[in-house]
Amino acid sequence: GESVGLHLPTLSVQEGDNSIINCAYSNSASDYFIWYKQESGKGPQFIIDIRSNMDKRQGQRVTVLLNKTVKHLSLQIAATQPGDSAVYFCAENMETQGGSEKLVFGKGTKLTVNP
Amino acid sequence: DTEVTQTPKHLVMGMTNKKSLKCEQHMGHRAMYWYKQKAKKPPELMFVYSYEKLSINESVPSRFSPECPNSSLLNLHLHALQPEDSALYLCASSQEGPLGTYEQYFGPGTRLTVT
Repeated sequence: GESVGLHLPTLSVQEGDNSIINCAYSNSASDYFIWYKQESGKGPQFIIDIRSNMDKRQGQRVTVLLNKTVKHLSLQIAATQPGDSAVYFCAENMETQGGSEKLVFGKGTKLTVNP
Repeated sequence: DTEVTQTPKHLVMGMTNKKSLKCEQHMGHRAMYWYKQKAKKPPELMFVYSYEKLSINESVPSRFSPECPNSSLLNLHLHALQPEDSALYLCASSQEGPLGTYEQYFGPGTRLTVT
């Protein structure tokens, strides 16, 4: 059953440092993954995506790494800024029993950037 | 225009009330989604509309009734809700194409409180 006092995993970094947020996904057949950033009181905001035929993808200050062998995804943020403070979710694209596709979100990691 | 709008921002309703949440996008996306998000938890998929047809219903109770009047609009009709239905309700939209799922754009959400 569920435990009382569920909380988000947290990561606290100093401004200017690099951040690495990790995510384990569940389905080896998943072929598309997205990282979202959610600030307090707002909807999730797309950061970067990666398809399963790639190991790495870079954006502006962000890099996503995909290790299909161990079903692991990571988000690296370079030179972390206070504005990066938020909850970060990974999401994997899964096929439903009806043949449709849906995104399933991971638990999330709360990133706090200290000035 | 890469925006998904949702109204109202906040809603307080009694258990006997009937209300509706509204979502709108003008990005030409043909897939639209409703998610429910409880505090400190990831978004959970409720419904998916593809080309204005309901394609996924994640076994949501019938007190939640989705409607897609046209390709730009998505509604969620609420009736006889329970206090445990209090949550942030998020709308999202995405393209659909030969590669399958594309990034989903989220609205800011409607904060629902059931008293």
